[in-house]
Amino acid sequence: KAGVTQTPRYLIKTRGQQVTLSCSPISGHRSVSWYQQTPGQGLQFLFEYFSETQRNKGNFPGRFSGRQFSNSRSEMNVSTLELGDSALYLCASSLFRSTGELFFGEGSRLTVL
Amino acid sequence: AQRVTQPEKLLSVFKGAPVELKCNYSYSGSPELFWYVQYSRQRLQLLLRHISRESIKGFTADLNKGETSFHLKKPFAQEEDSAMYYCASIGQAGTALIFGKGTTLSVSS
Repeated sequence: KAGVTQTPRYLIKTRGQQVTLSCSPISGHRSVSWYQQTPGQGLQFLFEYFSETQRNKGNFPGRFSGRQFSNSRSEMNVSTLELGDSALYLCASSLFRSTGELFFGEGSRLTVL
Repeated sequence: AQRVTQPEKLLSVFKGAPVELKCNYSYSGSPELFWYVQYSRQRLQLLLRHISRESIKGFTADLNKGETSFHLKKPFAQEEDSAMYYCASIGQAGTALIFGKGTTLSVSS
């Protein structure tokens, strides 16, 4: 089975721009979660999608948004980028929602200049 | 709010020494607890779950409700255990998996 695939792997943006990150879950997995990973804060939960509906949301500003498509693929968008948004964004998929057994992708590393 | 605390950012031990990575949680009910590991240049992956009471790669973790802890232990560390370890929990049903800030384990010979 192919693992969780995230694109792009690396990207550089400037302040004020927006970015869209994509995640393809493991085949058959219907839940997709997104996390922001930074050296200082570790892994912080962004949101979880299941059956195209956002089921849980972390404590991030409204500039961070996401969606899930009917094939379970997910995208997250960050608008009006700030320097502090530089991070590794990890996507994880699972068979069920609200489960601790997550399968992670390699991440998309965003650098904001 | 549900919170997971890993008090040590870095733990350095010698090969063959015992290892204990500390984790405390704040949820007052019965959480589900997990340990995840990220080896260098590899994906974050599940190491073990408290409900399965299993031993993976020689690691075990016991849930102590009185101390609200879920420490990860291994009696004899190996160099290949060097990695970042994250403790995580799900509190109330339907909520998301929340991670601690992680502890880097460095095992040297």
